[in-house]
Amino acid sequence: QKEVEQNSGPLSVPEGAIASLNCTYSDRGSQSFFWYRQYSGKSPELIMFIYSNGDKEDGRFTAQLNKASQYVSLLIRDSQPSDSATYLCAVNQGGSYIPTFGRGTSLIVHP
Amino acid sequence: DARVTQTPRHKVTEMGQEVTMRCQPILGHNTVFWYRQTMMQGLELLAYFRNRAPLDDSGMPKDRFSAEMPDATLATLKIQPSEPRDSAVYFCASGLGQGNTGELFFGEGSRLTVL
Repeated sequence: QKEVEQNSGPLSVPEGAIASLNCTYSDRGSQSFFWYRQYSGKSPELIMFIYSNGDKEDGRFTAQLNKASQYVSLLIRDSQPSDSATYLCAVNQGGSYIPTFGRGTSLIVHP
Repeated sequence: DARVTQTPRHKVTEMGQEVTMRCQPILGHNTVFWYRQTMMQGLELLAYFRNRAPLDDSGMPKDRFSAEMPDATLATLKIQPSEPRDSAVYFCASGLGQGNTGELFFGEGSRLTVL
């Protein structure tokens, strides 16, 4: 069973702080990694993807990938209450286009 | 404004009834996925189509669930007979499935309640 693991949280951070969300995966052949945000009662939407080791920055979001450790993370700088949502890590196993999703981490940003 | 369209948005039915959910993927997308989301299990893959061909339905209970894609603009997920444990939100998603893209675009979901 190829697995994607996330801490369910909730992770609570104050407004303006850095939120750090983590994800580990079991399949060493995984090639593509995604972070989706899901607001309560809504559908998941893609916010970041990363394919290569290292960091990828997009505005306040930074995705970090370490294939040797089978670890991918998402940093949210200057967290805002509007960032409060569940963040889903998704991993495409091997060369497939079938994402396996973690169960998500609930993030709460309090004013 | 290209988006994945799902119907119905909400469905309440009684145990034993047939339920059909429909999805219109984004025009030009060649991969379609059906996922089921519950609090306990998270997002579970039920079925995967590429160029309308079913490639993976290993996550789907075959005795009661069926998924089809009669044409490029319509994917269906059918449950017959439905059971209370099928209560969940069912998401359809589509994607391009090319190169390393892999990103999915989700519909708004169909919330199913089986009494």
